[in-house]
Amino acid sequence: DTAVSQTPKYLVTQMGNDKSIKCEQNLGHDTMYWYKQDSKKFLKIMFSYNNKELIINETVPNRFSPKSPDKAHLNLHINSLELGDSAVYFCASSPRSYNEQFFGPGTRLTVL
Amino acid sequence: AQTVTQSQPEMSVQEAETVTLSCTYDTSESDYYLFWYKQPPSRQMILVIRQEAYKQQNATENRFSVNFQKAAKSFSLKISDSQLGDAAMYFCAYRIKAAGNKLTFGGGTRVLVKP
Repeated sequence: DTAVSQTPKYLVTQMGNDKSIKCEQNLGHDTMYWYKQDSKKFLKIMFSYNNKELIINETVPNRFSPKSPDKAHLNLHINSLELGDSAVYFCASSPRSYNEQFFGPGTRLTVL
Repeated sequence: AQTVTQSQPEMSVQEAETVTLSCTYDTSESDYYLFWYKQPPSRQMILVIRQEAYKQQNATENRFSVNFQKAAKSFSLKISDSQLGDAAMYFCAYRIKAAGNKLTFGGGTRVLVKP
C-alpha cells in the first residue's frame, strides 16, 4: 500500500545506455513531479505533470523525456546516459496547488 | 531569481537539547507556502512542517516549530528535546503558485544528535 513508488531503487549502468525509471502513485493525485538530487544533496525540479499534461519543464537536457500514460504514472526515460546524470531521482505527487507533495523513495542512478 | 538559502551546512545538538536551523528565501511573490523536509539516511523525503505565507501564526508540529518572519523572508526551524532519530538532512523549501507549484529547495543542513 505504498503511496508513491519508484522502480528501480538502484540502477547502475554504462555511459551511453538508455534507461527508464518508473513512478506510480495510488493517492489519486492530479500532479506529479520529478526532482534530481545531486551528489551535494541539492534538490532541483526537473518536470511536473498535471493530469498527464506537462506544466513544468526546467532546463533539462532533451536526453531526458518524461512520459505520463495516465495521471497515476510518470516515467522518466534517459537517453545516452552521461557520468553527470549520476544522482538520486525522486518522484513526487500532490493533489492540487498548495497541498503537500508526497515523495517516492528515490532511485539512485550510477553511470559508470 | 527565486532562491532558498540555508547558511548552516551542519549543526550538532546534544540529545534532549534544542537546535534551530536557519532559512532565508527570496521571492517577490506574496502567495506561497514554506516547508521543512527531513531526509534521514534512508533518503526518504519526509515533510516536517508547513507554513502558509498568509498566516501570521507560526506553525507547530509536536517538537518542531517555526519562526516565520515574512518581512525578513526568514523561516527557521526549531527542534526541541532533540532525539537520536532527528539526525538527518533538513531542507527548507517554498512553493509558489506563479512558478507552477514546484518546490524550490535550499542546500540543506545536516543535523547531528549526540547521545
